[in-house]
This record gives sequence, C-alpha cells and structure tokens, in this order.
Amino acid sequence: NAGVIQTPRHKVTGKGQEATLWCEPISGHSAVFWYRQTIVQGLEFLTYFRNQAPIDDSGMPKERFSAQMPNQSHSTLKIQSTQPQDSAVYLCASRPGHQDTQYFGPGTRLLVL
Amino acid sequence: GDSVTQTEGPVTVSESESLIINCTYSATSIAYPNLFWYVRYPGEGLQLLLKVITAGQKGSSRGFEATYNKETTSFHLQKASVQESDSAVYYCALGSLSGANTGKLTFGHGTILRVHP
Repeated sequence: NAGVIQTPRHKVTGKGQEATLWCEPISGHSAVFWYRQTIVQGLEFLTYFRNQAPIDDSGMPKERFSAQMPNQSHSTLKIQSTQPQDSAVYLCASRPGHQDTQYFGPGTRLLVL
Repeated sequence: GDSVTQTEGPVTVSESESLIINCTYSATSIAYPNLFWYVRYPGEGLQLLLKVITAGQKGSSRGFEATYNKETTSFHLQKASVQESDSAVYYCALGSLSGANTGKLTFGHGTILRVHP
C-alpha cells in the first residue's frame, strides 16, 4: 500500500500562471478530500468527492479554484491565474467507504512568486 | 461555523516529563461530533494518532490518551512520560459522519512539541 500519492511535491509558479495539483487516493477508497494549509489560516477544508462525485465544495474559493475527479484513481485541483496568496501546502486525503479515518498524502507545496 | 482551539506552541518539555496539550471545540453544524488527534512527525505526512467517536469515551495510542468531554467541549491530549521521539506537530480535529455531514475535518492550528533529552 503506497498511501495517498500527491504530485508534484513542490511547485513554483509565476503570478498569473495556472497550477494543477494531482492526487492518487489509496486504492479502494471511495472518498477524496482536499485541504489547504497556510501559516495564517492553518489547515482548511476545500472540497470533497465521494465515488468521484463532487459532494461538498464549501471551502473552495469561488474564483480561480476548481477540482475534478475524472476516475477513481485520481483527482486534480486546478488554480487559474495563481496569486501569491495561493502559496500554501495542499493536502489530499482519502477515506475508505463510511469509515471515519482519513489518510493524508505528503502534500504539494505551492509557491507563487 | 465549527472551530477547534488548541494550545499554542511551541511546547517544550524534557524527556520523561508529563504532557498535556489542550483542545476545545465548537460544533455548531454537527449534531454528534467525532474528535481526532493527528500528528506530523518531522519529514513525514499527517497521520492519525487517535480518535474518539462517542462522548465520554477515551482514546489511546502510543502512550497518549484523550477523553471526549461533551460538557466542557474538550479533548485534551495527555501523556504521562514523553520521549524525544514524540517531538512532532499535533493537531486536534473535529468531524462527523452522522446524517448529512460529509466527514470533512476542522483542524486546530497545531501545537509544536519539542522534547529535550
């Protein structure tokens, strides 16, 4: 079991560029979560998929951020026109079925210059 | 909204001393909150340390304990004798699978623990 895989581990983009972050959940897990961690805000929930369907995106910024889960083996978080305030560590987690333990990936550290 | 407040770190203790990291929560959108402690060791990812689903129960793992107190809305993390290998960042979190809740977690800001030999 390789755990949750996130790629890339580090990404540096220029202001205004697009950034796409990838997450491969643990095989067999039906739920995928995205979180963002900054020093100021801490760890914040962004969005949640169950069986590939978007269920809750209440934490997603309304502009420039989007997430998809085209198949059960990966999810993407896309940030358009990145801004310096988007710099953060983005964490993906997956959960097996209705169990309550989320398993976190190592995160993608995004730096927007 | 839901929130979690925990001891602001860093917390520095000597090996074999006792430890308590305070955590209190406010669950306004969750009828039956579940409580968690996650830990991030240096160079590693966030991992579950312990969880308690039911109020009044105690969870334990790796010598750590936490009791879910609904009356005081607290979930303090304790250890009787810490080791240098316990140095890490500890996060208290709130979530629920009940009803329409999605199970998303609300985290505290984390507490850095440094244990000196």
